[in-house]
Amino acid sequence: GNSVTQMEGPVTLSEEAFLTINCTYTATGYPSLFWYVQYPGEGLQLLLKATKADDKGSNKGFEATYRKETTSFHLEKGSVQVSDSAVYFCALSVKGEAGTALIFGKGTTLSVSS
Amino acid sequence: GAVVSQHPSRVICKSGTSVKIECRSLDFQATTMFWYRQFPKQSLMLMATSNEGSKATYEQGVEKDKFLINHASLTLSTLTVTSAHPEDSSFYICSAWTAGNTIYFGEGSWLTVV
Repeated sequence: GNSVTQMEGPVTLSEEAFLTINCTYTATGYPSLFWYVQYPGEGLQLLLKATKADDKGSNKGFEATYRKETTSFHLEKGSVQVSDSAVYFCALSVKGEAGTALIFGKGTTLSVSS
Repeated sequence: GAVVSQHPSRVICKSGTSVKIECRSLDFQATTMFWYRQFPKQSLMLMATSNEGSKATYEQGVEKDKFLINHASLTLSTLTVTSAHPEDSSFYICSAWTAGNTIYFGEGSWLTVV
């Protein structure tokens, strides 16, 4: 079946530290991969995505590369800020009866302190 | 752990009828819940923020008279798609935050309008 596994948090970092949040997936076919972010009290926002192998998604200093050989889509940022504190979700797309839906990982909470 | 449950997981309705989707937080109270829709071949889109005891906040472009949201208790939010049409067929998913700032998603609901 289709599933997403991401590292469990919380991840606690100091400002300007390097961030990696691991994400691996199991899927039939070739899904698109996403990272979503949810800031405290807010709705989900798409952070970045990649639609095929070796694609690199990037946004707001975050990057993730679609690695088909390792079925991974790890999220990285070179220098985190306090404002990056949020919950991050890795997700893959699957086709269903009424369209395409997302399978989400459980989420990783990131806490950045100054 | 905390769980958010959605019901029904799949529903087929006739064009012109209304259908209600429930989102329940099973072991925590949620003053705020979020409703998302998965457009075909696109990412999840936030539709509205459901606030317990007050009116929902709708995202731009979402018809509030068509997608009625009621958050009558701290554990239940409902989304009613009124006068459904085939173009409303989609995957709808809700989420809720716990007081400890952890987010949980419902399982999602597939709506097919025939």
